[in-house]
Amino acid sequence: DAGVIQSPRHEVTEMGQEVTLRCKPISGHDYLFWYRQTMMRGLELLIYFNNNVPIDDSGMPEDRFSAKMPNASFSTLKIQPSEPRDSAVYFCASSPTGTTGELFFGEGSRLTVL
Amino acid sequence: AQSVTQPDIHITVSEGASLELRCNYSYGATPYLFWYVQSPGQGLQLLLKYFSGDTLVQGIKGFEAEFKRSQSSFNLRKPSVHWSDAAEYFCAVGEGNNNDMRFGAGTRLTVKP
Repeated sequence: DAGVIQSPRHEVTEMGQEVTLRCKPISGHDYLFWYRQTMMRGLELLIYFNNNVPIDDSGMPEDRFSAKMPNASFSTLKIQPSEPRDSAVYFCASSPTGTTGELFFGEGSRLTVL
Repeated sequence: AQSVTQPDIHITVSEGASLELRCNYSYGATPYLFWYVQSPGQGLQLLLKYFSGDTLVQGIKGFEAEFKRSQSSFNLRKPSVHWSDAAEYFCAVGEGNNNDMRFGAGTRLTVKP
């Protein structure tokens, strides 16, 4: 299996622009997680899905952030409008069992908002 | 809610020396405990995990960790460090019902030749 695939790997955009990050989980994994990593706050859980349904989005910072999982093989995290404080590395992870087992992480999308 | 503390932000060891990375957690019941490693520009990779049973768990790359309930600790150890072990190490605690896995702030390991 190719593992969790994220795109783009790097994104540089200007404040106010819309940003869409994409994730393809490992086939057969029922859980998908979006994390954000910054120097100040470390790794934060933004939202997770189970069987394509959002279960907990309490970590989503504000209404500018939204996430979807239209099918078992694709998820998006959208930021609209983007702000400089959104600059971070965004990780997608998938798991067959949730956090009682291993999370398989993608390589991350590094976002820079100027 | 559960939380995890890694007291050491940065540790430097010489190649071949032993290593211990500290992790303390806060959780009422027996947690699910994990150690992940992150190499530069990469995602996190699982080193080992503890759910129950034997409190000394073996992982990949020669790492082991010991769960000590009395100390609320889950320290990571390796008897002899290799230069390729230089990376960031994250301790994580999970709770089975809510999938809210909390990560520590990470410990950056530097290996001197």
